[in-house]
Order: sequence, then C-alpha cells, then structure tokens
Amino acid sequence: RKEVEQDPGPFNVPEGATVAFNCTYSNSASQSFFWYRQDCRKEPKLLMSVYSSGNEDGRFTAQLNRASQYISLLIRDSKLSDSATYLCVVNFKGTALIFGKGTTLSVSS
Amino acid sequence: DAGVIQSPRHEVTEMGQEVTLRCKPISGHNSLFWYRQTMMRGLELLIYFNNNVPIDDSGMPEDRFSAKMPNASFSTLKIQPSEPRDSAVYFCASRPTSDLYNEQFFGPGTRLTVL
Repeated sequence: RKEVEQDPGPFNVPEGATVAFNCTYSNSASQSFFWYRQDCRKEPKLLMSVYSSGNEDGRFTAQLNRASQYISLLIRDSKLSDSATYLCVVNFKGTALIFGKGTTLSVSS
Repeated sequence: DAGVIQSPRHEVTEMGQEVTLRCKPISGHNSLFWYRQTMMRGLELLIYFNNNVPIDDSGMPEDRFSAKMPNASFSTLKIQPSEPRDSAVYFCASRPTSDLYNEQFFGPGTRLTVL
C-alpha cells in the first residue's frame, strides 16, 4: 500500500461548482498534514495546513479524520484559477514530507 | 525576498555524464530538502539536511547519487554517471525550522533530460 494515496482525477468541473478531494495515508503515527498546490510546470506551493479540528481558508476547507487516516479538501465556488494539481502531504518521519501523486482539477467556464 | 534558487533550470546531457544540480536556500532557513518528480512516481524525497547535516538519505536511489551541503547557503546534488531513467524534475526546498507545521518553500526546479 502506498504511503499517501489520492485519486489522480482529472476532476473537470464548471465555474462555481463545489469539488472535494480525498486522500488516505498508511502510517497511523503521522503527525502533520497539508495540502499543496502545483500549477503546470511549476513548483509546489503550500495551500493550507490541515488541523485535527478541521480548518477553513476562504473557499477552501480541509478536514482530517485520524481514526480513518483520511484527509479531505473541499473547494467551494470554483474559479478558473483553481485549475491545478492538488497534492496531499503527510509528515511521519520527523521533518520530511511524504507527497501523494496529486489530484488534477480543471475548472471550465 | 529571493526565494529558493536552483540552477541550472534545464539540463540536457548524455548517458554516462556527470550532472551537478545546485541550490541556494532562503537565507535563515536551516532545513533543506531535495526532491525528484516524475509522472510515474510523483514527488519523492531524496535527502534532507538540518543545519547542513544530512539527516535522512534513504530516498537516494543508489550510489550514483550524492548530495552535499558545505554551508548554510549552498547545496549540490550530483549524479555520476547519469542514466536515462534519471530524467525528471529535481526540486530543492527549504524550511525555516524543524517545526512540523512550518511551510517548505520550493525552488523552481531543474528539468533534467538524460539522453
């Protein structure tokens, strides 16, 4: 089983749609969790950290379920500029991050 | 502020040649990471340093790969000899402290093609 698994997509949605991405991780000792965003041929950039109580940043909501080893990202009112690959990231080796392969989102007008 | 700087941005070389990738982390950051990204395997951690000391190199594929961090402002990743399967985008990232929730800042990457 891969350490961090994501549905690769692509998810094709119209502007204004709500879309949800899921991610599972294998190591129950994982300590911290993130979503990174990567645009085509660019470097990954932090979108948001994921906290146990869940957290929201504008149109983005992240949830963590430690019992199920599951992380989610919800994007409301999708914009064209949200088109990118979203990487689920987990830390369970001290300071190193383990990345999922990413879920591709395409928002169309 | 200058971000993480990587050079070269693109490298095309022939199999068997030595390749050296360079990284300058953000000033004041004390953790540095080297990653490799391919379509097949995604983003993989190769090695990381804390305060210039290699902490975990278990991701380094084989002896052909080596990394150094001679000082806080410079790191290299060397492949010798290079092989076509090494073709990938190599990212360097830095982080200010070892705090688990501190953001990693990535450089623009080096796109390596080995013919």
